[in-house]
Amino acid sequence: DVKVTQSSRYLVKRTGEKVFLECVQDMDHENMFWYRQDPGLGLRLIYFSYDVKMKEKGDIPEGYSVSREKKERFSLILESASTNQTSMYLCASSLAGTGYQPQHFGDGTRLSIL
Amino acid sequence: GQNIDQPTEMTATEGAIVQINCTYQTSGFNGLFWYQQHAGEAPTFLSYNVLDGLEEKGRFSSFLSRSKGYSYLLLKELQMKDSASYLCAVRVSGNTPLVFGKGTRLSVIA
Repeated sequence: DVKVTQSSRYLVKRTGEKVFLECVQDMDHENMFWYRQDPGLGLRLIYFSYDVKMKEKGDIPEGYSVSREKKERFSLILESASTNQTSMYLCASSLAGTGYQPQHFGDGTRLSIL
Repeated sequence: GQNIDQPTEMTATEGAIVQINCTYQTSGFNGLFWYQQHAGEAPTFLSYNVLDGLEEKGRFSSFLSRSKGYSYLLLKELQMKDSASYLCAVRVSGNTPLVFGKGTRLSVIA
């Protein structure tokens, strides 16, 4: 089974802090993704990566950056946390290729910015 | 932009059948996925459709009509543990990320 592991289930930080969310997958997947999930808004894509050192902006990249130095690890960085970044953050990974390549999700990090 | 619509909430009775609809208007189409998400947990993959028709997997079935931009997830013999959100997602093209609908929260009652 695919395992996507996020470093924290719950995290509380203060406004202005730099926040790192870590994600590791163990299935040698090329693609990795970061989403946030908010009530009434669903899953929204922040950033994604097709390979090491590569990154692409999703629908809501403002206020975030990412790092992918190794194939199995994809980090999301909140440069200066703000209260509107309080959310559930979900990491996912998938094999590259078209068609049947489902994304597999981690358990999520519920982040609160005070 | 990409648009995927699902009902926000549904309620059904234990043992019954429920159909969750999904309509999409996207710039392309390369497959439709259904996920289940229990409260506080990760979404888990349920089914995939790329050709028109019905795909059956145990108590769950998923249907696709590409010409109508329409899919549904059919859950039979409902159980209390089926209470969850069900997410419809479309791959618009190639190796692109999935685009998700806002999800349908299903409550199964006794």
